[in-house]
Amino acid sequence: AAGVIQSPRHLIKEKRETATLKCYPIPRHDTVYWYQQGPGQDPQFLISFYEKMQSDKGSIPDRFSAQQFSDYHSELNMSSLELGDSALYFCASSSSYEQYFGPGTRLTVT
Amino acid sequence: DQQVKQNSPSLSVQEGRISILNCDYTNSMFDYFLWYKKYPAEGPTFLISISSIKDKNEDGRFTVFLNKSAKHLSLHIVPSQPGDSAVYFCAAGKPGAYKYIFGTGTRLKVLA
Repeated sequence: AAGVIQSPRHLIKEKRETATLKCYPIPRHDTVYWYQQGPGQDPQFLISFYEKMQSDKGSIPDRFSAQQFSDYHSELNMSSLELGDSALYFCASSSSYEQYFGPGTRLTVT
Repeated sequence: DQQVKQNSPSLSVQEGRISILNCDYTNSMFDYFLWYKKYPAEGPTFLISISSIKDKNEDGRFTVFLNKSAKHLSLHIVPSQPGDSAVYFCAAGKPGAYKYIFGTGTRLKVLA
């Protein structure tokens, strides 16, 4: 079965640079969620989109923005990167209550 | 303020025995709960869910129990297998909120 696709899987950036993470949800899923997981921590909710509209917002820094496109894929844009942004970024999608996660993008900021 | 808590950071169980992972929550508005298994550097894998209208849901070796009055849920794995060794997260959601709050995770180790 098709799963959530995230790209890239690994990304290395320097401080103050910009990064764009992409998420392709499971076909016919209308909701996309972004989570950030730091080392040894639980996933922290960042933002979600339902039918291309922002539906909920969590602890997402102002330096980050996201959107969901007409084909339901989503992009998380991260600017002025800081060392503390180094983490695993997960995207999840759903059509009802269960969320299915992608493999994650490991972002390393040096 | 941790709304979803997993008070046992780790658990070791012998192969073939039952694993019981616990999760407590503070917000009575949560009405849907998910359990995930996670290996290092991989995305969480959905295991099983339960809505607040039920007190039990079963899927193969996995059973989730919900005690709404105690704001407590548990995941039972029977029989436990070495491949079950992973970090397990519970997550809780509220009606109308497009997000889930995750617990802190429990690392399960199943000993052969």
